[in-house]
Amino acid sequence: QKEVEQDPGPLSVPEGAIVSLNCTYSNSAFQYFMWYRQYSRKGPELLMYTYSSGNKEDGRFTAQVDKSSKYISLFIRDSQPSDSATYLCAMSETGGGNKLTFGTGTQLKVEL
Amino acid sequence: GAVVSQHPSWVICKSGTSVKIECRSLDFQATTMFWYRQFPKQSLMLMATSNEGSKATYEQGVEKDKFLINHASLTLSTLTVTSAHPEDSSFYICSARDPGSGSPLHFGNGTRLTVT
Repeated sequence: QKEVEQDPGPLSVPEGAIVSLNCTYSNSAFQYFMWYRQYSRKGPELLMYTYSSGNKEDGRFTAQVDKSSKYISLFIRDSQPSDSATYLCAMSETGGGNKLTFGTGTQLKVEL
Repeated sequence: GAVVSQHPSWVICKSGTSVKIECRSLDFQATTMFWYRQFPKQSLMLMATSNEGSKATYEQGVEKDKFLINHASLTLSTLTVTSAHPEDSSFYICSARDPGSGSPLHFGNGTRLTVT
């Protein structure tokens, strides 16, 4: 079993839809949770960074962490074609994001 | 703007040759940088942790003699793939954290290596 599981997709949605992306994990020591967006042939770009359980909102993006269920989510509201990318969840035991463990990424396509 | 710069963005080399990839932190000093490798449709896998002024720490299964890491200054780490083979073809990405910002890792744009 992988430490972090993420549905690879691809996930295709119409423009304006609400997108839900999820990861589950097995290591209960993970305390810091991140979502990265990666466009083709580019490095990952940090979208959201949260500590422990709870919600965090930034514009159209909302990150949720449920440590009791070892489950994290990223919601994208009013999705745009420019959101089409691969979304990677990442986690670490210590602060600062050192030594991240990544999910495999979910490929998202937002269609006109 | 980008906080981590990586060069080159792509490189093609012949089997048996060596390739050097540079990773620079912009506007901040990074005592620690990280090198990842990503195969198509797979997750990023940490290869090694690059420490300024000391030896790199390699993850299990990563050959230190094949993937040479040098972190000679607080803003530059290099990864040299020695005696490259086609199976080394991959996307190599470096990352660093700005210790003054408290933010997690920022990544470079990656280097696509193709060994023919």
